[in-house]
Parts: sequence; structure tokens; C-alpha cells
Amino acid sequence: DAGITQSPRYKITETGRQVTLMCHQTWSHSYMFWYRQDLGHGLRLIYYSAAADITDKGEVPDGYVVSRSKTENFPLTLESATRSQTSVYFCASSESTGDEPQHFGDGTRLSIL
Amino acid sequence: GQNIDQPTEMTATEGAIVQINCTYQTSGFNGLFWYQQHAGEAPTFLSYNVLDGLEEKGRFSSFLSRSKGYSYLLLKELQMKDSASYLCAVRDYGGATNKLIFGTGTLLAVQP
Repeated sequence: DAGITQSPRYKITETGRQVTLMCHQTWSHSYMFWYRQDLGHGLRLIYYSAAADITDKGEVPDGYVVSRSKTENFPLTLESATRSQTSVYFCASSESTGDEPQHFGDGTRLSIL
Repeated sequence: GQNIDQPTEMTATEGAIVQINCTYQTSGFNGLFWYQQHAGEAPTFLSYNVLDGLEEKGRFSSFLSRSKGYSYLLLKELQMKDSASYLCAVRDYGGATNKLIFGTGTLLAVQP
């Protein structure tokens, strides 16, 4: 029962580099989400997807790109990393019904030097 | 605008009861969730309220008043392992979407 997995768990990179964070879920959930978590801000939604090939912006989408070619995968790409993108990133998924909770992966701790 | 308020920190004693409050002002409302997050770990689902009233789940209960924009999480018989952050999240009524708006969380320290 793998559930939802994120990789890598830890990543250090330099400003200007491209980095992709992976998210894979085995539940066939329709919805998938990317959040970042920073002190004083809580969890903020970056992008979300309601189904394969359907994505939409959240609260803080600038500097990020997502795709969803398959239901189970939802990668997040930082095209040109900046120090302000140093954060803990969480992927989550949920069923489409209203009272279903979102289930979170273990997170990726990303440091940009 | 969207605003969810929770106390930043709370301290309680092992075996006691603690109530963590959450007030919200959102453009829409379609349910409220509570999550627990231990340091360095993922948030895990605790409870869900969409109608007014109390939902009980073992040692944890959650209350909602939609007219007041208010919820609380009640933790009974506190244990040391309950030391964690507790996140309040509102589901915004945004058509077919399933977005959550999170508060900044309440860090609960349980002392012996």
C-alpha cells in the first residue's frame, strides 16, 4: 500500500537551475495538488489538477510549471530556481467527492543556494 | 478576502483536555478539515465538518458553527505523542474544484 510518494525527499540545488519534484499516487485519485510550506505561511497551494491533462493555478504559481499526462503522476518543475523557492513541498491527492480529505506525501525539502 | 486564524502556539499537560480554535472568513464554504502534522512529517487527516455541530472520533472531537465562521478541535486525555501542529483548512466552494485554504497551524506542546 504505497499511497502517495514524493521524490526526492531532500534536494539541494543552485539558483538558476531547473529542478523537478516528482509525485506518484496509487489510489487513482482524480485530484492532485502541490503545496509549499514555509514558516509563518502555512500550506499554500501552488497548482492543482482535477484530472489528467487538466491543471490550474493556485495561490502561488509563479516560477512553477506542472503537467499531468497520467492520472497517477503530477510532477512540479521549477524552471529557474530562486532562493525564495527554498521550502518544503508537499504533494496531495483526493477523490472527487466533497467530503473526501486530501492525503499528503512525505514532502520534499528543497534548498536553493 | 480569505482568512483563517488559529493561535500560533499552545501548551497543555498530559492527561488534560485542550481546545484549539479556528475562525475563518472565506468567499465560500464547503467544509472544514483538521489535520495533524508532526515535525518533519506530512499532515494527516483528523476530522471533517460540513454541518453545524460536534463530530466525535475517539479522543478527538471537532465542532463547527457556520454562522459564526468558527470551529474548534478538542483533544481529550492528552498524550505526549499529541505534541504536533494542528492545521485548520476550509474547502472553498469553487465550482468543481476541491481546493483547501489552510491556516498557519497551532503548535501544541504537551508537557508531562
